[in-house]
Amino acid sequence: AQSVAQPEDQVNVAEGNPLTVKCTYSVSGNPYLFWYVQYPNRGLQFLLKYITGDNLVKGSYGFEAEFNKSQTSFHLKKPSALVSDSALYFCAVRDLLNYGGATNKLIFGTGTLLAVQP
Amino acid sequence: DGGITQSPKYLFRKEGQNVTLSCEQNLNHDAMYWYRQDPGQGLRLIYYSQIVNDFQKGDIAEGYSVSREKKESFPLTVTSAQKNPTAFYLCASSIATVNQPQHFGDGTRLSIL
Repeated sequence: AQSVAQPEDQVNVAEGNPLTVKCTYSVSGNPYLFWYVQYPNRGLQFLLKYITGDNLVKGSYGFEAEFNKSQTSFHLKKPSALVSDSALYFCAVRDLLNYGGATNKLIFGTGTLLAVQP
Repeated sequence: DGGITQSPKYLFRKEGQNVTLSCEQNLNHDAMYWYRQDPGQGLRLIYYSQIVNDFQKGDIAEGYSVSREKKESFPLTVTSAQKNPTAFYLCASSIATVNQPQHFGDGTRLSIL
């Protein structure tokens, strides 16, 4: 079975401190991983993706993510949090079992609410 | 500007009524998706379509129906068979090439009267 887990419902961090939002995955085969952000009453916005290559992926708004194959993780990070980063963050993995894997169908985690205190 | 438009933003359904949520994209994307979002459950896929006149059931298709008669449009009907329709519904699209991100609309919030 394929799945994505976000073990923390909420992460609290002070403005200016580094932040980490955790994600672990389970797939049979190479994982193709994505991070999205959702602000209240809005759709999801794409932040970054890992397909292959460098384990550290840089994305939008200063976010980056580290792919770790041995730990099956893809944690989202930012060196210095902003109050405006407060939002719901989703990790997702491409579904490799439908259409022979030839789609962009995603399996999403349950989301982590990031709260940045001023 | 290219994007995905969902309408209406808020929708109320009476018992026994079918309602249709609109999703239109001008991104020239082949693939389109419908998700349901409930608090604490993340996004669950209802239906998706890889190409015009073709669509597949997702994980929670029961009580929903879709059509894909035009590339830019993918309407979702919530039927009276869906007993718990209150949720936030999100439409997305992507190009057909794999590993490309999905682009999302701003959602429709459906409630029961």
